[in-house]
Amino acid sequence: SQQGEEDPQALSIQGGENATMNCSYKTSINNLQWYRQNSGRGLVHLILIRSNEREKHSGRLRVTLDTSKKSSSLLITASRAADTASYFCATDANQAGTALIFGKGTTLSVSS
Amino acid sequence: DVKVTQSSRYLVKRTGEKVFLECVQDMDHENMFWYRQDPGLGLRLIYFSYDVKMKEKGDIPEGYSVSREKKERFSLILESASTNQTSMYLCASSFRTGITEAFFGQGTRLTVV
Repeated sequence: SQQGEEDPQALSIQGGENATMNCSYKTSINNLQWYRQNSGRGLVHLILIRSNEREKHSGRLRVTLDTSKKSSSLLITASRAADTASYFCATDANQAGTALIFGKGTTLSVSS
Repeated sequence: DVKVTQSSRYLVKRTGEKVFLECVQDMDHENMFWYRQDPGLGLRLIYFSYDVKMKEKGDIPEGYSVSREKKERFSLILESASTNQTSMYLCASSFRTGITEAFFGQGTRLTVV
């Protein structure tokens, strides 16, 4: 059973625009993480937001977390062609000895 | 920098073969994971391990087994490879689940013919 579900599945934007991706999850969590994957490669960690945080920034990334709605969003500002990738949210099930569970991802395409 | 290394980038095996996918991490992480990734299905957890010789089934363990004899190495075993196990396999490690980030290997694209 997958914990996180990203929305939209695919997103195409022009360079310079902002990109927003959403993630919904089902059970209580410790933290929520966002990862990026370039085509055919492994995933790279972008940002972690703790369950008691509401917003976090890292460079051009802004992540929000709403635990009451069990949802998170990832905003990439001033997008570039190099941001073209798949983005995944990942959560744990708030239990010791559990694994990170990933959603199906959002594929972002940024045209220059 | 943390490094997670998967033994092969591409692998082609025949149906019925026993296949070993190896993963090594160099940061003394307690947790190690195996996922498979298929188009439209995202990453699905096969098995994970939170300590040496400990293992837990993920969402899709059927047809797979794992071995963790040493802390740095986590092996995924396909007992008898089948064509529906053709996929991208991703190994990851982390210090603490959900509290610290996970580091991924480059992936192994396995084709079973």
